[in-house]
Amino acid sequence: KAGVTQTPRYLIKTRGQQVTLSCSPISGHRSVSWYQQTPGQGLQFLFEYFSETQRNKGNFPGRFSGRQFSNSRSEMNVSTLELGDSALYLCASSSQPTGEGEKLFFGSGTQLSVL
Amino acid sequence: AQSVAQPEDQVNVAEGNPLTVKCTYSVSGNPYLFWYVQYPNRGLQFLLKYITGDNLVKGSYGFEAEFNKSQTSFHLKKPSALVSDSALYFCAVRDAGAGNMLTFGGGTRLMVKP
Repeated sequence: KAGVTQTPRYLIKTRGQQVTLSCSPISGHRSVSWYQQTPGQGLQFLFEYFSETQRNKGNFPGRFSGRQFSNSRSEMNVSTLELGDSALYLCASSSQPTGEGEKLFFGSGTQLSVL
Repeated sequence: AQSVAQPEDQVNVAEGNPLTVKCTYSVSGNPYLFWYVQYPNRGLQFLLKYITGDNLVKGSYGFEAEFNKSQTSFHLKKPSALVSDSALYFCAVRDAGAGNMLTFGGGTRLMVKP
């Protein structure tokens, strides 16, 4: 069974640009969560989607948005990039919503650098 | 509000010695508690979880954790450390009283020396 796939693996953008990151969950998983990982802030929750509906949203500005498609694949978009958005963005999938206590399966992440 | 704390940024231990990575939590309801491990340039991998039942939970790679309700702790332990255990360890808590969000601690880097 293929794991969680995130593309691209690395991304370099400049301030003011926008970026879209993609996540393909494990087959059969309907929950996809996104996290931002930085050395200073650790792992911060962005949002969770289950069956195309956003279930939870973390404390991030509206520049961060996401969506989930009918095949459970998810995309995360960041508009008007700032230097502070440089981070490793991790996607995780599970068969049930995170709140049910299921373990999460993480992708290897997309390393975003904003110059 | 929920929170989870890992008080040590780094833990150093010699190979063969027991290891403990500490985690404390604060939630408004019954907690679901998790440990994940992250190896370099990889995503996180699930180690173990506590939902209910026995306070001692056994997980992958010989790790275990003990849920202590009175001390609001969920420390990760292993009787004999391996060099290959060197990695970044994250504790996480789900609080039913906070929208079921999963909050991660800041992480603890475990260094096992030969």
